[in-house]
Amino acid sequence: DAKTTQPNSMESNEEEPVHLPCNHSTISGTDYIHWYRQLPSQGPEYVIHGLTSNVNNRMASLAIAEDRKSSTLILHRATLRDAAVYYCIISPQIGSGTYKYIFGTGTRLKVLA
Amino acid sequence: GAVVSQHPSRVICKSGTSVKIECRSLDFQATTMFWYRQFPKQSLMLMATSNEGSKATYEQGVEKDKFLINHASLTLSTLTVTSAHPEDSSFYICSAQRGPPYEQYFGPGTRLTVT
Repeated sequence: DAKTTQPNSMESNEEEPVHLPCNHSTISGTDYIHWYRQLPSQGPEYVIHGLTSNVNNRMASLAIAEDRKSSTLILHRATLRDAAVYYCIISPQIGSGTYKYIFGTGTRLKVLA
Repeated sequence: GAVVSQHPSRVICKSGTSVKIECRSLDFQATTMFWYRQFPKQSLMLMATSNEGSKATYEQGVEKDKFLINHASLTLSTLTVTSAHPEDSSFYICSAQRGPPYEQYFGPGTRLTVT
């Protein structure tokens, strides 16, 4: 199973951009890259996903390296509500139409007012 | 869209009893649902993959006779913790897969405390 490596924690000032890195050097060609975040005592919340090209949505941007061995989640303007644990997940296919998530340790983002 | 609910949100039970947790996809059909367990200050650990109408696939080290999973319809999966013990106390989270591109949507979690 593809593994991910993320920094344990990061800090950011409010209103500033945040770049959360993730290494996934064992990724396979058809594996998607997903990002989720989790607040205490809640289920993970979907943030963004991609395969090869960079992606943007209302929450964040995802920059994927050309060799796909790393990616970066970009929060353009951090707010206090963005403080959470962010998980980078590679999802290998385990069956027809079934993709498994393996969670790493994630990055705990602290946003300073 | 893509809302997943879990019931109950928290449950306290006595050692030796069984507890059932329901996971529902409210606005989409999910052929595959997943069950995770999370201990305090740790990451989510996948317990099993549940496909509608077939037996669940359990991860290595997860006792299938202790954690019974039923996926009877495209919107409902249940996890029953049988003969619960204090070490089973944890945060149980389900997810439902929608796709393509097969992303998972997670429920809010169920806090199980076994006394």
